[in-house]
Amino acid sequence: DSGVTQTPKHLITATGQRVTLRCSPRSGDLSVYWYQQSLDQGLQFLIQYYNGEERAKGNILERFSAQQFPDLHSELNLSSLELGDSALYFCASSVQLAGSTDTQYFGPGTRLTVL
Amino acid sequence: AQSVTQLGSHVSVSEGALVLLRCNYSSSVPPYLFWYVQYPNQGLQLLLKYTSAATLVKGINGFEAEFKKSETSFHLTKPSAHMSDAAEYFCAVKANTGFQKLVFGTGTRLLVSP
Repeated sequence: DSGVTQTPKHLITATGQRVTLRCSPRSGDLSVYWYQQSLDQGLQFLIQYYNGEERAKGNILERFSAQQFPDLHSELNLSSLELGDSALYFCASSVQLAGSTDTQYFGPGTRLTVL
Repeated sequence: AQSVTQLGSHVSVSEGALVLLRCNYSSSVPPYLFWYVQYPNQGLQLLLKYTSAATLVKGINGFEAEFKKSETSFHLTKPSAHMSDAAEYFCAVKANTGFQKLVFGTGTRLLVSP
């Protein structure tokens, strides 16, 4: 158990819908990262937050957005869902910010299925 | 920019045999390198990481990896495979400066036969 929690574990929805994925980082971790894992794209970094502020952006679609709240939990919002958005979405957390040797600890993931 | 290449999407070994999973990296700055393991229906777990302290890195579950700058490699090895090692293994790279994300390889599925 990494200490990172994600809810829900599974999510099934229809095209065009909007969903919210939730992540609680390990106690004491200030950085939260979101990744998407799909068969065709592999593991892709989406976005990083540090202490409530967006710090880095990867291959995140405009239909997707995220935020980190004062209690440090984070939410990833996916809207206008398409079949291709079906994937495993991971959240990871780490203690420090940039240029450090800190480890990213991964949650168990949320499996999103878009029908 | 950083990238990693994992040679072989699948590697099969017999129980007790040597495990060798290959990873080559590309980085414009000194990198940090990681190996993660993903068991079925689970998240990623860190096996080991290289952060320039020592070129031979020992991790959990008997795994180790050696950083070879001349070969831009960071191969993962284990002397004797166990059935429980069957999983997917990911190599990842991160630059040691700035807000750099983890860049993952495509993964190698390790199959262990009795």
